[in-house]
Amino acid sequence: AQSVSQHNHHVILSEAASLELGCNYSYGGTVNLFWYVQYPGQHLQLLLKYFSGDPLVKGIKGFEAEFIKSKFSFNLRKPSVQWSDTAEYFCAVNAGSNYQLIWGAGTKLIIKP
Amino acid sequence: EAGVAQSPRYKIIEKRQSVAFWCNPISGHATLYWYQQILGQGPKLLIQFQNNGVVDDSQLPKDRFSAERLKGVDSTLKIQPAKLEDSAVYLCASSLSTGTGGGEQFFGPGTRLTVL
Repeated sequence: AQSVSQHNHHVILSEAASLELGCNYSYGGTVNLFWYVQYPGQHLQLLLKYFSGDPLVKGIKGFEAEFIKSKFSFNLRKPSVQWSDTAEYFCAVNAGSNYQLIWGAGTKLIIKP
Repeated sequence: EAGVAQSPRYKIIEKRQSVAFWCNPISGHATLYWYQQILGQGPKLLIQFQNNGVVDDSQLPKDRFSAERLKGVDSTLKIQPAKLEDSAVYLCASSLSTGTGGGEQFFGPGTRLTVL
């Protein structure tokens, strides 16, 4: 069965630190990859997505992610985090004919001011 | 562009009661999803509609959960009777026709259900 694994459930960083959140998936075919973010009290919103082309994709608020097909990974990065990046981050993959999203369990990121 | 609307935002009920949630997707989005998100977990798909037809309801507990999407626009999700383990956030999402745009989904604010 397809699955998505996010390596860390909780991450605590200081402002200006660099961020990398891991995401691995299990599916051998063509995939579309997403990172969604949920800020406190707000709904899920798209951070960035990969469909095809350049495996390094840039999203909103300075985030980027790199698709490494050989490693089945789609890690999220930001060179310098801000307090306002405190949120929960979800990696999701869709594959198959119904284009359903398979979700990771999420990573709660806390940025200390 | 208006987003996905859901109501109510919060609901508290006692076990064995019934409850209904409503969702209005983004205009023109043919595909509608209902998810259950339990605290500390990612969203779990309950049902997927394409227009007013069901694409996948394999994870919907059909003995107590039901959903419909009349006229291919608004949708309701019902739980009857509710159990304690149904306490969760119920998310509605919509997307353009299945496969279009890679399946990017747009989410509503969710309904937080507490079953006492």
